Amino acid sequence: AQTVTQSQPEMSVQEAETVTLSCTYDTSENNYYLFWYKQPPSRQMILVIRQEAYKQQNATENRFSVNFQKAAKSFSLKISDSQLGDTAMYFCAFMLRDDKIIFGKGTRLHILP
Amino acid sequence: DSGVTQTPKHLITATGQRVTLRCSPRSGDLSVYWYQQSLDQGLQFLIQYYNGEERAKGNILERFSAQQFPDLHSELNLSSLELGDSALYFCASSPGGGAGANVLTFGAGSRLTVL
Repeated sequence: AQTVTQSQPEMSVQEAETVTLSCTYDTSENNYYLFWYKQPPSRQMILVIRQEAYKQQNATENRFSVNFQKAAKSFSLKISDSQLGDTAMYFCAFMLRDDKIIFGKGTRLHILP
Repeated sequence: DSGVTQTPKHLITATGQRVTLRCSPRSGDLSVYWYQQSLDQGLQFLIQYYNGEERAKGNILERFSAQQFPDLHSELNLSSLELGDSALYFCASSPGGGAGANVLTFGAGSRLTVL
């Protein structure tokens, strides 16, 4: 079965700190794409970052970066210099070549002032 | 504005009623996905369409149905509504085509309240 596991239901960090959200997944496919989506209190779903599984280089978008370990099927998200606006639910997901996408249950992140 | 348009934004109705939620995908996107999100819960995948054809089905109740029209907009029909159907319903679209590099773009959601 293809699954995504986010083992941290909820986390809190102080503003300006660095935080890492974990994500592991399970698939027998070799070609897929990985994503982190953010859902702030407005409940809009916003793409944070994406990673192609065939690329070894970890994706980076400003303060957001990933640590992609393909063999371990791990795809963690690091947020540097966290800001109050980063407070949100974060969903990890992967997409297969047939456009099927699997989401994790989410990690609720609180950035404290 | 993500480019994915969902209407209505809010809907309040009574148990036993039927509602239709509408989604217009981002220009050029052929795939449409529907998700249900209850309060403080994750995303429950309902159904996916690609260019008018059903592509994948999740845990969609028999009381729910959907379709994608030739102009690529999609509608989700919810009937015999129950209190537990109260949720935020998201539509998302992607280019589709099986390349796998397709990012999902989400609409703002339709918030359904069943009283």
